[in-house]
Amino acid sequence: SQELEQSPQSLIVQEGKNLTINCTSSKTLYGLYWYKQKYGEGLIFLMMLQKGGEEKSHEKITAKLDEKKQQSSLHITASQPSHAGIYLCGAAESGTYKYIFGTGTRLKVLA
Amino acid sequence: SAVISQKPSRDICQRGTSLTIQCQVDSQVTMMFWYRQQPGQSLTLIATANQGSEATYESGFVIDKFPISRPNLTFSTLTVSNLSPEDSSIYLCSVEGAGLGYGYTFGSGTRLTVV
Repeated sequence: SQELEQSPQSLIVQEGKNLTINCTSSKTLYGLYWYKQKYGEGLIFLMMLQKGGEEKSHEKITAKLDEKKQQSSLHITASQPSHAGIYLCGAAESGTYKYIFGTGTRLKVLA
Repeated sequence: SAVISQKPSRDICQRGTSLTIQCQVDSQVTMMFWYRQQPGQSLTLIATANQGSEATYESGFVIDKFPISRPNLTFSTLTVSNLSPEDSSIYLCSVEGAGLGYGYTFGSGTRLTVV
């Protein structure tokens, strides 16, 4: 079965610092989604990457999918306390309709 | 994308009782998914609910413990039965977004604590 591994598991940064979260798949990805989850709330869809080498940005968050489509990174520039939460990568498992998730990265931004 | 209303948002239940979680979607969707997120862990798919047919359960999840109803294309319930402290988790419903680039939409989650 396909697995998504995220790193780091947790991250504490000072406000204004840049940070990167990685998501590595055991198989080729055919659509990689990034989500954010705030405590006590549901998941919020951030962006989707599909093509090898694709890069998308939304406000201060940039996500990339490598050419081999097995690794994605989420980069936050000039982090703010509002960026705090749990970031999850998700993907449709290759060959099935099932949706799998990474282990999550808990981000804390210190003001 | 679809908007999902999930309730209750949280509950504290006694051991041995049951909790039913409801998800209402503002548009008709074929498939609805139910997930569990145990403390400190990622999401795990419990089952897929299609309207008009029995839910499809993932390995490790059984209908007797997690009965699901899907009476129409906009509504589903998940019941967690015979509760034990190990069932304390966040439960989320989800539907596929409108269009390939919209990902999946999730309900706001139900935080269950079993005492």
